[in-house]
Amino acid sequence: GQQLNQSPQSMFIQEGEDVSMNCTSSSIFNTWLWYKQDPGEGPVLLIALYKAGELTSNGRLTAQFGITRKDSFLNISASIPSDVGIYFCAGPDPLDSNYQLIWGAGTKLIIKP
Amino acid sequence: DSGVTQTPKHLITATGQRVTLRCSPRSGDLSVYWYQQSLDQGLQFLIQYYNGEERAKGNILERFSAQQFPDLHSELNLSSLELGDSALYFCASSVGGGLDTEAFFGQGTRLTVV
Repeated sequence: GQQLNQSPQSMFIQEGEDVSMNCTSSSIFNTWLWYKQDPGEGPVLLIALYKAGELTSNGRLTAQFGITRKDSFLNISASIPSDVGIYFCAGPDPLDSNYQLIWGAGTKLIIKP
Repeated sequence: DSGVTQTPKHLITATGQRVTLRCSPRSGDLSVYWYQQSLDQGLQFLIQYYNGEERAKGNILERFSAQQFPDLHSELNLSSLELGDSALYFCASSVGGGLDTEAFFGQGTRLTVV
């Protein structure tokens, strides 16, 4: 079945650093969603992308819908302690008539004290 | 607050038992999704209901079942529980079952099987 590959799997960064992560698929997606999950909480939608090449910001977060439609990127500028968590990409499976959401395995962000 | 309500927040039970997890979707959302998340793992899709009908099935064990009621709330039933069933169970809802799949998650039910 369809898979979304997220990288890196985890990141150790210093407070104030910029962060970049990405999500790739083997087939074209029409929508990319980025979620963040805090420990013990449910994932929260950060950014939704609907058009190839689209660049959307939400505060210090910026996500891009890759022009090949097979990838997406999430950047966090000037990271702060509350950015810690797991970041998931997701998208409706274009090969599934129910457009079931497919999820990446997540990128765990850890900020070094 | 996502608007999705899950109860209970925590549940501790013994192996072999049966439990029911409950989810109330956001007002106006017709789709309910159930996910399982084991420790430090990604989200495993279990099942989706749309307007009372089963829409899609993922890696849901035969010991597990779910339903969506006329008022659109949903229940996930887990029976003959095993230690490996210990996990966070999330419910999510969205407006429809198609491309508008911006799903909103509840806070989850943490199930511990002892």
